[in-house]
Amino acid sequence: GDSVTQMEGPVTLSEEAFLTINCTYTATGYPSLFWYVQYPGEGLQLLLKATKADDKGSNKGFEATYRKETTSFHLEKGSVQVSDSAVYFCALRLGAGANSKLTFGKGITLSVRP
Amino acid sequence: DGGITQSPKYLFRKEGQNVTLSCEQNLNHDAMYWYRQDPGQGLRLIYYSQIVNDFQKGDIAEGYSVSREKKESFPLTVTSAQKNPTAFYLCASSIGGGSIYGYTFGSGTRLTVV
Repeated sequence: GDSVTQMEGPVTLSEEAFLTINCTYTATGYPSLFWYVQYPGEGLQLLLKATKADDKGSNKGFEATYRKETTSFHLEKGSVQVSDSAVYFCALRLGAGANSKLTFGKGITLSVRP
Repeated sequence: DGGITQSPKYLFRKEGQNVTLSCEQNLNHDAMYWYRQDPGQGLRLIYYSQIVNDFQKGDIAEGYSVSREKKESFPLTVTSAQKNPTAFYLCASSIGGGSIYGYTFGSGTRLTVV
């Protein structure tokens, strides 16, 4: 079945460090890809998305490029801030109709220290 | 502003009691979802509904029940049959089954059995 694999966490970085969070997927088709962020005690928020190969999603300094050849959608940010500390989920969605649901990775916790 | 409202934010339940978590959306979304989140386990799908008066079981439906009598509302009942109900519960909605659409999440309800 369809699945999303995220790198093992947690990740701890110093402020202004470069961030990469790896995400790869397995899908029987051409999914849309998403990154969600969850701040402590809150629900998930859509961070960015890409709906076809080579698309780049971006938001709040975060970027991710849909790489069909490597089935990847790695999240990057050039300079993290303490306020970026959160849990990050990669997800995919395929198809249409009743069986089209988001498939999530396990999530990874990012802690940014001052 | 449109969004999803979950209430209450915190809920305490005695063992053996049923409890209902509220989820209301004013986004005019067709599809709604309930997830359970436990530490280190990511998101697990409990129930989902694509249209009014119809819903399907997700991966961990045992001990839970739902209804979808109105498009805006998708309440979740945690019954006494649920062995370990203490968790963070998230409700989400989506425009429909198209793969390019992500979900909008509520802010969650934290249920604790005392």
